[in-house]
Amino acid sequence: SQTIHQWPATLVQPVGSPLSLECTVEGTSNPNLYWYRQAAGRGLQLLFYSVGIGQISSEVPQNLSASRPQDRQFILSSKKLLLSDSGFYLCAWKDSGDREPYGYTFGSGTRLTVV
Amino acid sequence: GQNIDQPTEMTATEGAIVQINCTYQTSGFNGLFWYQQHAGEAPTFLSYNVLDGLEEKGRFSSFLSRSKGYSYLLLKELQMKDSASYLCAVREWSDYKLSFGAGTTVTVRA
Repeated sequence: SQTIHQWPATLVQPVGSPLSLECTVEGTSNPNLYWYRQAAGRGLQLLFYSVGIGQISSEVPQNLSASRPQDRQFILSSKKLLLSDSGFYLCAWKDSGDREPYGYTFGSGTRLTVV
Repeated sequence: GQNIDQPTEMTATEGAIVQINCTYQTSGFNGLFWYQQHAGEAPTFLSYNVLDGLEEKGRFSSFLSRSKGYSYLLLKELQMKDSASYLCAVREWSDYKLSFGAGTTVTVRA
């Protein structure tokens, strides 16, 4: 069966520090991968998605970036964090075709607090 | 792009029924999803509709009308553990992206 791992679970970082969040998927190949952010009391905002190694699409211009160095690895990074980057970051995967599971499966999330 | 609207909050009594409505506008509809999210946790998949009609799964049912851009999630026999946020999400043809509504917080009272 497929599993998705995301770490760390919580993170407190000072303003201006770098960020690296990692997400890996097991039990599937060539998944579509997604990074979402959820601000407190808000909906999920799509940040980046990837349909293959090295292929990154950005949805929202900001000081974050994403990379996909391996088929089942998706990394979210920042060189200098801002206070507004605080939030709950969620990685998700989906089968690359229109097959079950049709929806996304989310990782457990990283709660980032920038201080 | 997407425009997805759902009520912010709903309150219901244990054992009752609650219906959460969702309206959407999209240029390339390819499915509507409902997710449940407990406080501090990741969303979990509840239901998927791509054709018009009702999909039933235990105590939860979801309905879709593509011509009206409308869906609802019906929660029956409410239990305290159903207190959560319920997210409506629309998928586009393009790369199967999911756009989410802001979520409806359901509070179940004894």
